[in-house]
Amino acid sequence: EAQVTQNPRYLITVTGKKLTVTCSQNMNHEYMSWYRQDPGLGLRQIYYSMNVEVTDKGDVPEGYKVSRKEKRNFPLILESPSPNQTSLYFCASSLTGAEYEQYFGPGTRLTVT
Amino acid sequence: SQQGEEDPQALSIQEGENATMNCSYKTSINNLQWYRQNSGRGLVHLILIRSNEREKHSGRLRVTLDTSKKSSSLLITASRAADTASYFCATDGQTGANNLFFGTGTRLTVIP
Repeated sequence: EAQVTQNPRYLITVTGKKLTVTCSQNMNHEYMSWYRQDPGLGLRQIYYSMNVEVTDKGDVPEGYKVSRKEKRNFPLILESPSPNQTSLYFCASSLTGAEYEQYFGPGTRLTVT
Repeated sequence: SQQGEEDPQALSIQEGENATMNCSYKTSINNLQWYRQNSGRGLVHLILIRSNEREKHSGRLRVTLDTSKKSSSLLITASRAADTASYFCATDGQTGANNLFFGTGTRLTVIP
């Protein structure tokens, strides 16, 4: 089954404790991206990647890191999480870019206390 | 930010009625996409309309695009309770960058 998976689905952590949210797709997509969703603000893009070793900033990259060492994986790293990063995070992938249909993962709900 | 906006923020209709939601965006685009999200779940792609298209249909969905006004509308005809969800528009930038900008969403409630 073609899908985007994220882990963990739920995470509660404390300020400053490094964490990684994993994202994997099995569709051989070149384009992958991360979004955060906050009430009243819709989805905002954090980072995107056009292919292996190619990443670029989205709308709200501050406080986040990403890497793309393999085509199928695109982890989101929070080196020192803060409470304002409490949010619902989505990973998505598409064939080659933003202009194509995006396939979304199920989401990761992160709470930073 | 180049984020778009949907209007209205919330819409409540009776089953069988039509639902119309609007999206406004800020920059030139290649394509505009509409997505649906059931509460707290991942978004699902509904329809894509290219900048050189004015109208597109898919089942009970009708999308229009007016690039001169930088706006789009999504019409759902003969709504069903199962259409209850949030609907988002998304635009790419025409500049060559591969950012994707989502609107703030319209929350649709269809009352059985």
